[in-house]
Parts: sequence; C-alpha cells; structure tokens
Amino acid sequence: SYVLAQPPSVSVAPGQAARITCGGSKVGSDSVHWYQQKPGQAPVLVIYYGRDRPSGIPERFSGSNSGNTATLTISRVEAGDEADYYCQVWDSSSDHRWVFGGGTKLTVL
Amino acid sequence: QLVQSGEEVKKPGDSLKISCKGSGYSFSTYWIAWVRQMPGKGPEWMGIIYPGDSDTAYSPSFQGQVTISADKSISTAYLQWGSLRASDTAMYFCARQGPLRGYFDLWGRGSLVTVSS
Repeated sequence: SYVLAQPPSVSVAPGQAARITCGGSKVGSDSVHWYQQKPGQAPVLVIYYGRDRPSGIPERFSGSNSGNTATLTISRVEAGDEADYYCQVWDSSSDHRWVFGGGTKLTVL
Repeated sequence: QLVQSGEEVKKPGDSLKISCKGSGYSFSTYWIAWVRQMPGKGPEWMGIIYPGDSDTAYSPSFQGQVTISADKSISTAYLQWGSLRASDTAMYFCARQGPLRGYFDLWGRGSLVTVSS
C-alpha cells in the first residue's frame, strides 16, 4: 500500500520555526492533511487540504507543498507544541483510501 | 463531540463491540471512520461508515477481521470483533470525516482494548 515518509524526529528551540516534511509519490497530486497528537490524547487536525487551518488552530501553523513533499511549518514554536505530528492523504482511487505517515516527534529544546 | 465507550480487557477468542456516540451535529450526514493506533505507532485507517444508509468501506488490512455498523436513531457507530487476538491490543479511535472529505476533523478520545490471556 501507499507509504508516506516522515522524519522520525525534529528538534527546535523555543521561538524558532519547525518544519516537518511528508514525502510520497502521490503527495503532489493528493492533498495532505496534518494532525497533532499529544501523549494520551486523540489526534487533532491542524491543517487540511495542504494549507487550510481549522478554526481554533493558531496562525503559527501553516502548510505547503512542493513536488512530492508536503511541509508543515510551525512558526515561533512554543513548549506546548511538543507532540507527534502525522501527515495523511486520501486516495479515493485506492482500497487503502486514508493513509497516514509514520509520524514525527517534535521536541522543543 | 464523539464519545467512545470505555477501556476493555478481554481474552483471546472473546468477542467485543465498542461504540462511538456523536452529538452536536447531524450524525447521519457525516462519515465516521475507525482508526487503530498500536502502542508507539501511527494511526491506521480501518474502515468507514455513512450512518445515513450504513454504506461501509473497509481497508483491505482489516476486511474480514472487524465489522463496522451504525444506528442512526441513537447517533452511534460501532466496531466489533468476533474473535479477538492478542495482536488486536491497541487504542481505537472513531473520527468524523470533514465536510470537504478526505480528512478527519473530529475525533473521539479513544477506546483502549487489551487482549491478554
């Protein structure tokens, strides 16, 4: 089945920008969605359709796409942003329609 | 919100049905998915149901292993197993597909299922 590749970990100092990538052959043609998951909690949608933010998600969270790589950027990182982040695509032509990446652990130094 | 049933501890071979009750929106008109998350791993899509007519789709990885159903009269979706295995030990989330489709905009808090002899 389709695979989305994410770096296992990203570390950043408070106030700096964190960039988390998601690569896959269909990333360029399919919209990528991003979730934040803190320990012991359910995932929370932070970006949908590549760059749209649900209500309540800070403007510090943004998404972009270049070629076969999507990027979640968190500006001015705060301690509370420390979490696992997952990308996800929807491939309506596949039996494995909703595919998640393996996740990236964001550590705030 | 989506409110899931509580933690379950079962033995191999047991059957189980967990639930997910929606409120605060039109439950019948949004697809509800079930997502497995094994310890330390990423989420995996298991299947999805449209409560309005119970149209259902399964991931090939879970087809035949679980059954997804819904009762729109009580705004509740279900995930059930006929015979649990130790490898079914995981957290199970229900999640609502967003109005633009393809993503999940509302999640339950999860139901932890532990299968151990």
